[in-house]
Amino acid sequence: GEEVAQTPKHLVRGEGQKAKLYCAPIKGHSYVFWYQQVLKNEFKFLISFQNENVFDETGMPKERFSAKCLPNSPCSLEIQATKLEDSAVYFCASSRVFTETQYFGPGTRLLVL
Amino acid sequence: KNEVEQSPQNLTAQEGEFITINCSYSVGISALHWLQQHPGGGIVSLFMLSSGKKKHGRLIATINIQEKHSSLHITASHPRDSAVYICGVHSGAGSYQLTFGKGTKLSVIP
Repeated sequence: GEEVAQTPKHLVRGEGQKAKLYCAPIKGHSYVFWYQQVLKNEFKFLISFQNENVFDETGMPKERFSAKCLPNSPCSLEIQATKLEDSAVYFCASSRVFTETQYFGPGTRLLVL
Repeated sequence: KNEVEQSPQNLTAQEGEFITINCSYSVGISALHWLQQHPGGGIVSLFMLSSGKKKHGRLIATINIQEKHSSLHITASHPRDSAVYICGVHSGAGSYQLTFGKGTKLSVIP
């Protein structure tokens, strides 16, 4: 597609439950990036992929967060055992090559209660 | 870790004014992004640059690698430019980590 698609738009989870977010990058884009924004505050980089390979995961919390980009499937970001502080908007972006403009999806708003 | 500072944090301007938003970083970088976040939350990537200057419509972004500083300029500002502008840097030396500033909230008044 011509836009980055993210699903769901909103996700509510009880503390301790699993959350799974999806991102379909623009067709032909090789790079996918995940970002976290808590309460419209600071933007935090989580992880990037080059096709199905992890490119940089230095921003990922080690324990409960994982992400995948498999061929012919949307990319996913999974949070095991969610905590209150995971409440945030999670943005996905894609780019054709690493050094080019990133195109952002509309975000998934995760609320952990 | 690269420290990214943006100034000002908040900016109110009259329609038509020339606006400058600044971004400074502490460690050498390979590239710098300017993002725009609309009041509704949507994000648009404005520029990615590693040297010199880029222009798109009324927006101009410059970077001075030696001074570790970038500026985003908006000419003939308009109320629709009201948004949060975020600077992000890719650290250099083979690292692809992205670090972002806290953003500058711009309000343009008619």
